[in-house]
Amino acid sequence: GESVGLHLPTLSVQEGDNSIINCAYSNSASDYFIWYKQESGKGPQFIIDIRSNMDKRQGQRVTVLLNKTVKHLSLQIAATQPGDSAVYFCAEKTTNTNAGKSTFGDGTTLTVKP
Amino acid sequence: ETGVTQTPRHLVMGMTNKKSLKCEQHLGHNAMYWYKQSAKKPLELMFVYNFKEQTENNSVPSRFSPECPNSSHLFLHLHTLQPEDSALYLCASSQDAGGNADTQYFGPGTRLTVL
Repeated sequence: GESVGLHLPTLSVQEGDNSIINCAYSNSASDYFIWYKQESGKGPQFIIDIRSNMDKRQGQRVTVLLNKTVKHLSLQIAATQPGDSAVYFCAEKTTNTNAGKSTFGDGTTLTVKP
Repeated sequence: ETGVTQTPRHLVMGMTNKKSLKCEQHLGHNAMYWYKQSAKKPLELMFVYNFKEQTENNSVPSRFSPECPNSSHLFLHLHTLQPEDSALYLCASSQDAGGNADTQYFGPGTRLTVL
């Protein structure tokens, strides 16, 4: 399953399928990007990050892809499990400024059907 | 557990009440943050403290008053709130709030309801 386009607020996938969550960012100066997962009743939790000098980074079952040309970020989750059901946020940051604050996206709610 | 705790987890208050939210981090970080999370809206940064000094106030109404007595503790004092202030208030910490690629660690949040 995939959230197509700039951003879709919800994505529903079958257990075992791969999931792709998309995020568009607006600041061309952003050079550090993070994906967070927020489960119900909890705060956001770091999943994976990527710097702008890379276009792909892999973690355990997750891959982040960065396309700086179109300012697009995606999170791929392999073999999606029920425990992956959560809201996923992307965040962007410009690290060459003193403020260094992160800007968060709207979030995509992933629902995994057994 | 992320190493960031928040109390209380739930709070119901009237518009004339005064209450405080508490955040504590056990990660040795130097930066702490308050965010507001409302339904169907992105996380809104409210305040940033770096080495106990406030470095960011994101146009937050004065009915929200932060306090950072040391790098491990952060408070948000609330008074004369409005019903639209009802939200999940999240605290986070990071190594520092400067221009570094550091990750923020979030607490579980305080679910605030203003009647």
